Amino acid sequence: KAGVTQTPRYLIKTRGQQVTLSCSPISGHRSVSWYQQTPGQGLQFLFEYFSETQRNKGNFPGRFSGRQFSNSRSEMNVSTLELGDSALYLCASNSASGEREQFFGPGTRLTVL
Amino acid sequence: EDQVTQSPEALRLQEGESSSLNCSYTVSGLRGLFWYRQDPGKGPEFLFTLYSAGEEKEKERLKATLTKKESFLHITAPKPEDSATYLCAVQARPGSYQLTFGKGTKLSVIP
Repeated sequence: KAGVTQTPRYLIKTRGQQVTLSCSPISGHRSVSWYQQTPGQGLQFLFEYFSETQRNKGNFPGRFSGRQFSNSRSEMNVSTLELGDSALYLCASNSASGEREQFFGPGTRLTVL
Repeated sequence: EDQVTQSPEALRLQEGESSSLNCSYTVSGLRGLFWYRQDPGKGPEFLFTLYSAGEEKEKERLKATLTKKESFLHITAPKPEDSATYLCAVQARPGSYQLTFGKGTKLSVIP
């Protein structure tokens, strides 16, 4: 069973630019969640999608947005990048059965210069 | 607001020296408490979910327990390959997978 795929793995951008990150969940999973991980704040919830609908959103500014497609793949977008947006962005594929666990991808490392 | 506090921040153990990691939580209605392991440069790896006070789960050298206010991750006779950051998280919002994470405990096991 293939795991969670995130692309790209690494990105370097400059302030003011925008970026789009992609996530392909585990086959059969219809829900994905996105998290931001920084050394100072740890893992923080960004948003959650289920069957193309945003079900829940964390406490982040409107520059952070996302969407989910009919094949369950998801993208997140960050506009007008700031230095503080440098982080590891993690996508989680959410299991509807068993222990409701979230399976994380390897993440996208974003560096804003 | 849900809060999760993990202690200690870092822990160094000799190989074979057993110990415990602590996770204290404040949540309005706990739906699940999760333990993850994270290696450098990788995403968190799922270990356990605990649902109610008194519940225990084991996997190899790891055992997780849950009370109404905290959870412990016991590591028995650790090996160097157990070195990682261990993350605790709570799930509280009905109908959502949203997790609130602690800052983690960085475990180093010295041969």
